[in-house]
Amino acid sequence: AQSVTQPDIHITVSEGASLELRCNYSYGATPYLFWYVQSPGQGLQLLLKYFSGDTLVQGIKGFEAEFKRSQSSFNLRKPSVHWSDAAEYFCAVGAGTNDYKLSFGAGTTVTVRA
Amino acid sequence: DAGVIQSPRHEVTEMGQEVTLRCKPISGHDYLFWYRQTMMRGLELLIYFNNNVPIDDSGMPEDRFSAKMPNASFSTLKIQPSEPRDSAVYFCASSLERNQPQHFGDGTRLSIL
Repeated sequence: AQSVTQPDIHITVSEGASLELRCNYSYGATPYLFWYVQSPGQGLQLLLKYFSGDTLVQGIKGFEAEFKRSQSSFNLRKPSVHWSDAAEYFCAVGAGTNDYKLSFGAGTTVTVRA
Repeated sequence: DAGVIQSPRHEVTEMGQEVTLRCKPISGHDYLFWYRQTMMRGLELLIYFNNNVPIDDSGMPEDRFSAKMPNASFSTLKIQPSEPRDSAVYFCASSLERNQPQHFGDGTRLSIL
C-alpha cells in the first residue's frame, strides 16, 4: 500500500519569503499526487494534482509542485507567501488499483509572520 | 457551482445518543467518500460509494457506524450509540471518477460528551 510522509510538522515563514513543503511517498510505480490546503474550520481545498506528463505542476494561489521520481518526492513551493497562506497543507497519494483510496500525510502547518 | 454540502456543521450530543451526519455531493459526481479527521490519526477514509453503492467500508471503525446513499444527491453517516472517542471532524468528499481529485465539504465537527 502507498504511504505519504510530510517531514515538517510546522513551518514558520515571513511574509514575502519563499516557502517549500516537503512530501515523500512510498509506491513502486507512478502514483497520483495531490496537495490540499485546509484553513481553520474549513474543508480541504485542492491546490494542484499530478497524474502524468510535465513534472512541474502549477496550481491555484500561486503554488507549484515538482514530481521527482528518483527521490519519490512531490514538494510544494511558493515564491512569495502572503499572510492568507497560513493554513495546514496535506500531501496525498493515490495509487494502483486502490487509486481512489487517498493516503494523506500528517500535514504541515504553516505560520506566516509579518 | 455548489460544492459538497455537509450538515450540521457542529454537533454536540451526549454519549449513547444517535448521531446522523448528512452530505450532498457535487452533482454529477459518481464517487462519494466519508473521512474522519482527528489529531491522533489524521485523515482516515471510512467508506466510499460508487453510483450509490458502498464499495469499500473497511475503514469503518465499528458496527456502531453505518453509512447509506439512498440516491445520487444524498448520503448519511450514522453513529449509534455514540461514544466520546467518536469526537472528530467528519468530512464528506466527492469526485467525478475514481482517480480524479476529491472535493471536500466543510466538515461536521462532532463532540460526544
